[in-house]
Amino acid sequence: DTGVSQNPRHKITKRGQNVTFRCDPISEHNRLYWYRQTLGQGPEFLTYFQNEAQLEKSRLLSDRFSAERPKGSFSTLEIQRTEQGDSAMYLCASSLVGLAPDEQYFGPGTRLTVT
Amino acid sequence: GQQLNQSPQSMFIQEGEDVSMNCTSSSIFNTWLWYKQEPGEGPVLLIALYKAGELTSNGRLTAQFGITRKDSFLNISASIPSDVGIYFCAGPNTGKLIFGQGTTLQVKP
Repeated sequence: DTGVSQNPRHKITKRGQNVTFRCDPISEHNRLYWYRQTLGQGPEFLTYFQNEAQLEKSRLLSDRFSAERPKGSFSTLEIQRTEQGDSAMYLCASSLVGLAPDEQYFGPGTRLTVT
Repeated sequence: GQQLNQSPQSMFIQEGEDVSMNCTSSSIFNTWLWYKQEPGEGPVLLIALYKAGELTSNGRLTAQFGITRKDSFLNISASIPSDVGIYFCAGPNTGKLIFGQGTTLQVKP
């Protein structure tokens, strides 16, 4: 399967702990996106990369959130000092600029529960 | 900012019925995308529309890009139980996607 993969699929953590999620995009895709989704809502944009460069960050992405894509392949999203309001599904997507940049393909998501 | 409004919010239909849902925006989009999401999974791209007035099919699914560029429609013909899920419309805004709030579809066998 050469789709977008995310790890872990589920994470339960205590308030105040740090967590890190990983996303592996479709191999030839140069854009990688992070979204957050809460129950009953559509995904909300957090940030995206083109190759290694982080091109845009949403105001939803507080200082406790940081994302990296060091070699232009996989990406990590870290949340420091988690809060209960961080509980959500974190989705990663990828696309290929130059072919169909708006067609974003999503991974299965990481479900975060902060207790 | 841009917002997408989907209607209806939810539908409960009998297997074999046809389904229609729509998505409207206060501003113009140059692309419309339709996704389906099942519980615990990420959204799956169903159809992408790139031209005003375009009608595109994917099996039993048909989507249309509204002439005004401010709306799109998704139809599902002869629904089956595996059509159950949440259907989202989305439009691009400087690279990122803006999503509607979804239409939840339930199909009774």
